[in-house]
Amino acid sequence: DGGITQSPKYLFRKEGQNVTLSCEQNLNHDAMYWYRQDPGQGLRLIYYSQIVNDFQKGDIAEGYSVSREKKESFPLTVTSAQKNPTAFYLCASSIDLLRGSSSYNYGYTFGSGTRLTVV
Amino acid sequence: DQQVKQNSPSLSVQEGRISILNCDYTNSMFDYFLWYKKYPAEGPTFLISISSIKDKNEDGRFTVFLNKSAKHLSLHIVPSQPGDSAVYFCAASAQESNFGNEKLTFGTGTRLTIIP
Repeated sequence: DGGITQSPKYLFRKEGQNVTLSCEQNLNHDAMYWYRQDPGQGLRLIYYSQIVNDFQKGDIAEGYSVSREKKESFPLTVTSAQKNPTAFYLCASSIDLLRGSSSYNYGYTFGSGTRLTVV
Repeated sequence: DQQVKQNSPSLSVQEGRISILNCDYTNSMFDYFLWYKKYPAEGPTFLISISSIKDKNEDGRFTVFLNKSAKHLSLHIVPSQPGDSAVYFCAASAQESNFGNEKLTFGTGTRLTIIP
């Protein structure tokens, strides 16, 4: 079955440590995204990548880094520069659609999330 | 600057009645809108979408209405069922190019509780 897998489900980090969250998809999707969910704040975009070896900052990229060496993988590193890293992190992917079709469907496929807690 | 707003953080509805979730947006360039449903500790799942060339899209118990002049959309669920209890996110995208993906901008979510 095709899908998008995030690991680990729960992650604990000590102050000052970098941690890397894994995101893998076997949907052959071109684009991948990282979002952060905080209570009352909805989903905020951290980084996104539309193609291998290329990525762009989202709305809250400070303190985070990503890489896209393979189409299937888009790991997120939460660095010690991120002042408030405790949150629920969601990875998503989508196909590269040609706009203009009157009936195109569009949406992201999300992973099940990683809850990161700083201890 | 919240471009997509869901002003009701929570909503409780009796089972069998209609649930109406609202979403407002400020960016007039948004031309595609989606609703996602999210259970705790899980990723959101796509529910229904609507293009700006339409004002209504229906899929089973779910209907999305779009009022472009008011920059407002709503999701109607009828009849509401206990399994509908979840957080619902509204999302929007703007065409930035003729090819490729567009980023989704999400609202803050509304927690819907269906009362048996």
